[in-house]
Amino acid sequence: EVQLVESGGGLVQPGGSLRLSCAASGFTFSDHYMDWVRQAPGKGLEWVGRIRKKANSYTTEYAASVKGRFTVSRDDSKNSLYLQMNSLKTEDTAVYYCARLWVNYLDFWGQGTLLSVSS
Amino acid sequence: DIQLTQSPSFLSASVGDRVTITCRASQGIASYLAWYQQKPGKAPKLLIYAASTLQSGVPSRFTGSRSGTEFTLTISSLQPEDFASYYCQQVNSFPLTFGGGTKVEIK
Repeated sequence: EVQLVESGGGLVQPGGSLRLSCAASGFTFSDHYMDWVRQAPGKGLEWVGRIRKKANSYTTEYAASVKGRFTVSRDDSKNSLYLQMNSLKTEDTAVYYCARLWVNYLDFWGQGTLLSVSS
Repeated sequence: DIQLTQSPSFLSASVGDRVTITCRASQGIASYLAWYQQKPGKAPKLLIYAASTLQSGVPSRFTGSRSGTEFTLTISSLQPEDFASYYCQQVNSFPLTFGGGTKVEIK
């Protein structure tokens, strides 16, 4: 069974940093591109970023709102995906989901982890 | 960036109703569009990809279609478990974008 489990969310002050993790199981993690998507409280979905697989040099893509502040990385040996978030702003407050890419689409999602940025 | 305008943002319907949600792209995206369903407190679930292909395990009452840059999600006969929010997403080009969502509530 495919499982994605996010962790690492919490309360951070503006300007702070945090790293989210996503533990994958039930599939060959290294074969898949992976995305992060977030959802602010009571709002819609916002795509955050992507990391491709080793065969594609682990290249990344980012939304303009996070580019230069967030970094997506992965450790295929640990079946884990990460989102390093720096220079956090109050508008980064959201539930963060990791999701598996299948063809071009997000076919499995984790349950999400909540990040709150507040002083 | 490609904007996706989803309508309506809210709709009230009864069990058994036929429901249609529209997603209009600001420029051509071919058929690179997905529909997701999200229930409160849960992660989104992929319903339809490539504009009209039903994801495995999704009931056949869900259908997707495309006409140019206008995409439609139709639920042929609304069931109690279908009351949820629905989002379209374009995967044609970066940055990937989502529509604003449609909340389907019980009338």
